[in-house]
Amino acid sequence: EDKVVQSPLSLVVHEGDTVTLNCSYEVTNFRSLLWYKQEKKAPTFLFMLTSSGIEKKSGRLSSILDKKELFSILNITATQTGDSAVYLCAVRSNDMRFGAGTRLTVKP
Amino acid sequence: NAGVMQNPRHLVRRRGQEARLRCSPMKGHSHVYWYRQLPEEGLKFMVYLQKENIIDESGMPKERFSAEFPKEGPSILRIQQVVRGDSAAYFCASSDGTKETQYFGPGTRLLVL
Repeated sequence: EDKVVQSPLSLVVHEGDTVTLNCSYEVTNFRSLLWYKQEKKAPTFLFMLTSSGIEKKSGRLSSILDKKELFSILNITATQTGDSAVYLCAVRSNDMRFGAGTRLTVKP
Repeated sequence: NAGVMQNPRHLVRRRGQEARLRCSPMKGHSHVYWYRQLPEEGLKFMVYLQKENIIDESGMPKERFSAEFPKEGPSILRIQQVVRGDSAAYFCASSDGTKETQYFGPGTRLLVL
């Protein structure tokens, strides 16, 4: 069965720190990996990754995919309290499977 | 501990028929959220329910769509008189209400012919 595992499950840092969130997967017919930020209502789409080794960047957030080792990382540099949220990883194959999320808390 | 379960995983309906999507939350969770997946990879919030109560249905179309989460049994998202534009993946998530973490089910893919 398809599996998406995120680590750590929770993380507490201070403003200005850099964090790395991990997402590993085992799926058949991999198509893409997506990162979301979940705050209140619907998760906000961050990145979609389809190719290995190509970093995607948006401001202080960046992400990269390794299709050989079957994982992705989401980096956040110079964290701010507004980055506090649950970060979800989802993998699209024949279906779409979500990980359990990493709860990030950024303290002032 | 089984995760969030959704069924059916795939549902085909003809225009005008009814679609019923079911979501069984994780054990111990009494809060359920329904989302529709948008083509541009986003997720659109539809409705948030607790057992026997609709907490927030601001994302639900006013007509043809309804949701319930009875005291016993799964949450159901019901779409009456489906149209082709209803074709999408519908995801359910559950939480225990004390934390914001939502756990997502595998989704139901609805195809309206």
